[in-house]
Amino acid sequence: NAGVMQNPRHLVRRRGQEARLRCSPMKGHSHVYWYRQLPEEGLKFMVYLQKENIIDESGMPKERFSAEFPKEGPSILRIQQVVRGDSAAYFCASSPARQGATEAFFGQGTRLTVV
Amino acid sequence: DQQVKQNSPSLSVQEGRISILNCDYTNSMFDYFLWYKKYPAEGPTFLISISSIKDKNEDGRFTVFLNKSAKHLSLHIVPSQPGDSAVYFCAAGSEFGNEKLTFGTGTRLTIIP
Repeated sequence: NAGVMQNPRHLVRRRGQEARLRCSPMKGHSHVYWYRQLPEEGLKFMVYLQKENIIDESGMPKERFSAEFPKEGPSILRIQQVVRGDSAAYFCASSPARQGATEAFFGQGTRLTVV
Repeated sequence: DQQVKQNSPSLSVQEGRISILNCDYTNSMFDYFLWYKKYPAEGPTFLISISSIKDKNEDGRFTVFLNKSAKHLSLHIVPSQPGDSAVYFCAAGSEFGNEKLTFGTGTRLTIIP
């Protein structure tokens, strides 16, 4: 787990503000996945990225949410104009290849609280 | 549409006994399955996986069984230890579909000393 770094661990935002969540994958991993866990629920897939490409964003809400994984630097999950329903734990996972070929390693998550 | 279901939200087992966690799925396209363990305030940690071409995979105290006809898998932990107390998530994926994992809602396992 320690290999995938997410920051911040905790983030508090007022309604209407922007939230930026960062994920640095394990060294040598070029595939990044974002998942969201609402209270008392399992993890829900949001988006799958490779360097500079969004491969699958079928789990992303249509509005306010965006993700990127630039050539240099961490992957960013951006939530604009946050609402109370965005409060959740957001987990990033990385793998060296397609997730089907090997298990993904998860970070410790960012807990977003919208007040 | 819950494609991966863990119908037991919680389970308590005596230390030293066998813990059996169950998972059912509905999507026939899933062809590999994983179990993750999660402690509070931490990310999920991979435990063990199984491909659909197998019906059993064993790793130390952990064994996963897959019954494709019943679309059911289970995780056996024996002997159970206090450190096994955590939330266990079943996850499924498809080699030929999306790259995402579909998770169940988790089972909270408590090992009683």
